[in-house]
Amino acid sequence: AQRVTQPEKLLSVFKGAPVELKCNYSYSGSPELFWYVQYSRQRLQLLLRHISRESIKGFTADLNKGETSFHLKKPFAQEEDSAMYYCALPGWGNFNKFYFGSGTKLNVKP
Amino acid sequence: GAVVSQHPSWVICKSGTSVKIECRSLDFQATTMFWYRQFPKQSLMLMATSNEGSKATYEQGVEKDKFLINHASLTLSTLTVTSAHPEDSSFYICSVTWTGLDTEAFFGQGTRLTVV
Repeated sequence: AQRVTQPEKLLSVFKGAPVELKCNYSYSGSPELFWYVQYSRQRLQLLLRHISRESIKGFTADLNKGETSFHLKKPFAQEEDSAMYYCALPGWGNFNKFYFGSGTKLNVKP
Repeated sequence: GAVVSQHPSWVICKSGTSVKIECRSLDFQATTMFWYRQFPKQSLMLMATSNEGSKATYEQGVEKDKFLINHASLTLSTLTVTSAHPEDSSFYICSVTWTGLDTEAFFGQGTRLTVV
């Protein structure tokens, strides 16, 4: 069965510091992984997907199949990055539904 | 992309009553929609897949008689919480999945249900 684990509930850093939000997964087959973000009082929205290998708002994430990880990184955190971040992967055999990790609250202090 | 709207945004109801939450896909015809439940400061838990014109598919551990789902058209799915209890108080979110060139889930703004 698919499973996503985010070990950190809260990550607090100062502005300008590097950030790494951890995500590990278990999945049968080749997963397609996503990071979703929820800013305060806003709906959940896509941040990035591994398949596109893009950088969004300075964030990147690399899929490491050996370590079954998909950690989200940003070299210099900004205050506006403060939000809830969720790692997600689609259901096995049904790519339209998603399973989410427990989320990590990122707090970037001035 | 897709625009998803939920109604109401928040609702308070008495224990024992039923509450209906609507989820509309405003610009995208969705044969399937998804319902999630989010507890305070916790993750989204997938509850069920709403299938247009057929029965919903529930995730393990979700009571189908408690959470009735109807998907009568390609743009509307409803979730009815029946005989609500305080422990049903939660944030309910629906989504549709866009499967164009890239797969992406689009979410409604959520409905805050408080059962008193």
